[in-house]
Amino acid sequence: ILNVEQSPQSLHVQEGDSTNFTCSFPSSNFYALHWYRWETAKSPEALFVMTLNGDEKKKGRISATLNTKEGYSYLYIKGSQPEDSATYLCASGGAGNNRKLIWGLGTSLGVNP
Amino acid sequence: EPEVTQTPSHQVTQMGQEVILRCVPISNHLYFYWYRQILGQKVEFLVSFYNNEISEKSEIFDDQFSVERPDGSNFTLKIRSTKLEDSAMYFCASSEALRSGYTFGSGTRLTVV
Repeated sequence: ILNVEQSPQSLHVQEGDSTNFTCSFPSSNFYALHWYRWETAKSPEALFVMTLNGDEKKKGRISATLNTKEGYSYLYIKGSQPEDSATYLCASGGAGNNRKLIWGLGTSLGVNP
Repeated sequence: EPEVTQTPSHQVTQMGQEVILRCVPISNHLYFYWYRQILGQKVEFLVSFYNNEISEKSEIFDDQFSVERPDGSNFTLKIRSTKLEDSAMYFCASSEALRSGYTFGSGTRLTVV
């Protein structure tokens, strides 16, 4: 994988459902994996920065896992609420001079009340 | 909570004109970035800035673009001669360290007519 890919592109769930989405990134020269939450008309908000293989981070009902060897990260939302509706972006940075983040297109989540 | 502030929020300019987009990063952050997003496309890296100099720039960041940190608080992006394809949302971000999450400003919507 030479790019950062996110799936699905969009999904809609009912309030209370749990959901997850995937970020795939280049596994060679891995440096860091970022997750951001981007609500309409606002700026991206940092959720997690993950660096270690097997890392798992949690923030309230949102958690993320990281597999640097196979190049993927999952973002989980437990008991989705309407206020979770947003686009979730991941970005991966490589090591060395190429530490700039490469961004995915995002997963757009809509939570119906 | 500390914020990254950007001004103006929206700028309309004639093709060929110079524009300066302004950003005030978080005061104790050391790394500064400009990103842009053309409507419907991925977030694109433009440039990173550290220790009063550009640390990395993308292919987009050609001779028409420049950045400055003139007074230790502002971080500006100048586009010398705007083109129609420069129309985008421009985001400034700052981070405390290389592996820290970025704090984004609310963006400047640049429209070139």
